[in-house]
Amino acid sequence: EVQVVESGGGLVQPGGSLTLSCAASGFTFSDYWMHWVRQGPGKGLVWVSRINRHGDNTYYADSVKGRFTISRDNAKNTLYLHMNSLRAEDAAVYYCARESSSSLAIDYWGQGTLVTVSS
Amino acid sequence: QSVLTQPPSASGTPGQRVTISCSGRYSNIGSNTVSWYQQVPGTAPKLLIYTNNQRPSGVPARFSGSKSGTSASLAISGLQSADEADYYCAAWDDSLNGYVFGTGTKVTVL
Repeated sequence: EVQVVESGGGLVQPGGSLTLSCAASGFTFSDYWMHWVRQGPGKGLVWVSRINRHGDNTYYADSVKGRFTISRDNAKNTLYLHMNSLRAEDAAVYYCARESSSSLAIDYWGQGTLVTVSS
Repeated sequence: QSVLTQPPSASGTPGQRVTISCSGRYSNIGSNTVSWYQQVPGTAPKLLIYTNNQRPSGVPARFSGSKSGTSASLAISGLQSADEADYYCAAWDDSLNGYVFGTGTKVTVL
């Protein structure tokens, strides 16, 4: 069974840093592009970042470019999101998600991890 | 802010057909395939439609997607109470070099 499980969310002060992790299982992790998507409280889905299979090609939403870094460790079947200079508007549930191998669609989503940014 | 525009709400009675529109531009819908996601409040999104009109296994045939030019639509026929959820369209945007989601549509079964 395909599973992606996020961890690492929590309360952080504005300007602080946090690293999210996503443990993948049930599929060959290194064969798939991966994404992070977030959803603020009562808001819609917002794409954050995407990484290729090897980890050497990354994409970011303008709102996080220069502050967030996506990475992966294929040996550990784990995806990461390193978040720096956090702002109140970064507070959201962060979803780890797998991109389909046959189309640019997200076919599996984790349950999400909550990031709260507050002093 | 989303670059794909959806109506904020749609509704119907059980058994009716509901259609949700998704309006974009050449750089996203006009150049790339569209996906649709269903999100029941408090849960993770679920893929409903990929490559404009393809359904993953397990998604009922009541859900169908289409695309024309820079717009796409999702139709739900034979509406059921279980279909009450938020629905989002999405596509890659070549200008933004990123994936973009629609503004979301809340479907209510009356």
